[in-house]
Amino acid sequence: DTEVTQTPKHLVMGMTNKKSLKCEQHMGHRAMYWYKQKAKKPPELMFVYSYEKLSINESVPSRFSPECPNSSLLNLHLHALQPEDSALYLCASSQERLWTSGATNTGELFFGEGSRLTVL
Amino acid sequence: SQQGEEDPQALSIQEGENATMNCSYKTSINNLQWYRQNSGRGLVHLILIRSNEREKHSGRLRVTLDTSKKSSSLLITASRAADTASYFCAAPYTGGFKTIFGAGTRLFVKA
Repeated sequence: DTEVTQTPKHLVMGMTNKKSLKCEQHMGHRAMYWYKQKAKKPPELMFVYSYEKLSINESVPSRFSPECPNSSLLNLHLHALQPEDSALYLCASSQERLWTSGATNTGELFFGEGSRLTVL
Repeated sequence: SQQGEEDPQALSIQEGENATMNCSYKTSINNLQWYRQNSGRGLVHLILIRSNEREKHSGRLRVTLDTSKKSSSLLITASRAADTASYFCAAPYTGGFKTIFGAGTRLFVKA
């Protein structure tokens, strides 16, 4: 069983809809991630939050809007998506250490089971 | 691209046989990780090998790392039907916050 919970498991939306994907972890991890995965492909990094601040945005289109309300929650707001955005969206978290030069971690990721998104 | 390459892309073996998957990467790393993904599910972390390690074992898993060749291999011994899954190597960059995954190997173990 995963300790990262994602909801909903499945989502079907039209191109004009607004919806949100939610992710929650209670492992005390301070880094959280969104990945996108197409069928038979590896996960592709979208966003990274470290200590509730957006630290990496992999040039993701603005129709995807991440939000980190607190250290346990991560949302991905979806608006005006395209059919090619249909994919499995994976949330992950990781531990990190805060050094004087910033935060680092081993990169060991704990994944949720994903939200399967279909855009019609 | 920093993304690693894996081979084979797909592997089909009989239960009880060993399965070997290979991964190559392009830039220097602090560690390399292997993950498993059952169809349509989330990824599960299997094992991490640090750049100063050459070999690591965990149960039926054996991972090697050759930093001079920028390559790693994952060996699953005495495979079981339940090992059927996709296996990905991954390396973290940017202080560990940017973990990039290889293309993956789809393993099918026949009972």
